[in-house]
Amino acid sequence: EVLLEESGGGLEQPGGSLRLSCAASGFTLSSYDMNWVRQAPGKGLEWISYLKSSGRTRYYADSVEGRFTISRDNAKNLLYLQMDSLRVEDTAVYYCARGVGNYDALDVWGRGTTVTVSS
Amino acid sequence: SYVLTQPPSVSVAPGQTARISCGGNYIATKSVHWNQQKPGQAPVLVVYNDDDRPSGIPERFSGSKSGNTATLTISRVEAGDEADYYCQVWDGNSDVVVFGGGTKLTVL
Repeated sequence: EVLLEESGGGLEQPGGSLRLSCAASGFTLSSYDMNWVRQAPGKGLEWISYLKSSGRTRYYADSVEGRFTISRDNAKNLLYLQMDSLRVEDTAVYYCARGVGNYDALDVWGRGTTVTVSS
Repeated sequence: SYVLTQPPSVSVAPGQTARISCGGNYIATKSVHWNQQKPGQAPVLVVYNDDDRPSGIPERFSGSKSGNTATLTISRVEAGDEADYYCQVWDGNSDVVVFGGGTKLTVL
């Protein structure tokens, strides 16, 4: 079965850092484009980052550019999101999602991990 | 930046047809995907590349496009279809994924 499972969320102060992980099972991460998507409480979905299967191309939403970094460990089949300089407005459920096709349809989603940024 | 516009809510009686729109400039040139999110759950892809269905998604779910609008159509609506629905595209001009604001489908 193809599954994604996020971990690493929690409570952090403004200005702090967190690293989220996304474990893949049933498929090889490096064969697919991968994304991080977040959802603030009571709000809609917001895409934040993309990593191409080659591992050489990364894209970010303006809201996180320069603060968040997407990466991958092929040996462990793990996707990461390093989150630095956290802000209150980064509070959200963070999902990893697999992208397929030329136009990044998100065909597999994890259940999400909650990040709360508060003093 | 590219914007996708959805109605905040759509209501329909059981057994009827629900249509959820997604408007955007030049959407005819883009591939539109639709995601369903039930309360407390992760999103699920229900239509991709305008009008294709992933395996396991009922035929009652279909997608179409006309002019500057894409539409998700749910036929013979059931109580279990009550959810938020988000349209999504890849904006190649900016290399970003764009979601619509979401539409809450209420089954009366």
